[in-house]
Amino acid sequence: DGGITQSPKYLFRKEGQNVTLSCEQNLNHDAMYWYRQDPGQGLRLIYYSQIVNDFQKGDIAEGYSVSREKKESFPLTVTSAQKNPTAFYLCASSLAGGHPEQFFGPGTRLTVL
Amino acid sequence: GESVGLHLPTLSVQEGDNSIINCAYSNSASDYFIWYKQESGKGPQFIIDIRSNMDKRQGQRVTVLLNKTVKHLSLQIAATQPGDSAVYFCAEKTDSWGKLQFGAGTQVVVTP
Repeated sequence: DGGITQSPKYLFRKEGQNVTLSCEQNLNHDAMYWYRQDPGQGLRLIYYSQIVNDFQKGDIAEGYSVSREKKESFPLTVTSAQKNPTAFYLCASSLAGGHPEQFFGPGTRLTVL
Repeated sequence: GESVGLHLPTLSVQEGDNSIINCAYSNSASDYFIWYKQESGKGPQFIIDIRSNMDKRQGQRVTVLLNKTVKHLSLQIAATQPGDSAVYFCAEKTDSWGKLQFGAGTQVVVTP
């Protein structure tokens, strides 16, 4: 089955700790994205990557970091500098940077205690 | 499950009726639009898309209408079913690279 996987589905962390969210895709997509979703709001872009070893900041990158060492993987680290990290995080991928349709993973709900 | 629609506009529809979900987009240069459906606790799923050189596109039980004059997009769902209950998002492609800008979403509740 081709698709995007995110793990874990639920994640709890103490305030001040960094945490890394996993995103893997086997769709052979070049582009990958991370979004944050809060109640009552649409998706906001954190980071995106058009190709391996390259990534750009989205609209709300402060307090987050990413890497793209492999085409299949785009992990997101939520650092202690992120002031309000509790949210639903969604990873997506698309065929290439200019191809608009994005395919989403199931999401990770992060709760910082 | 995940409650992502606590404060969203809500559309209540009786089962079997048609639903119309509206979206105002921001960028007159946007050339591609997508509607996504998101069920509670899950990632968004693609429903239908439309390019800016079209004003209507039909899928299975869904129709998207685009009015570029007033920057308005709508999604019509025919014969709404309980499985259609979800949050619906419109998204516009805002640059040549492919970045999508998402709307806030509309919660659709289907009542028997």
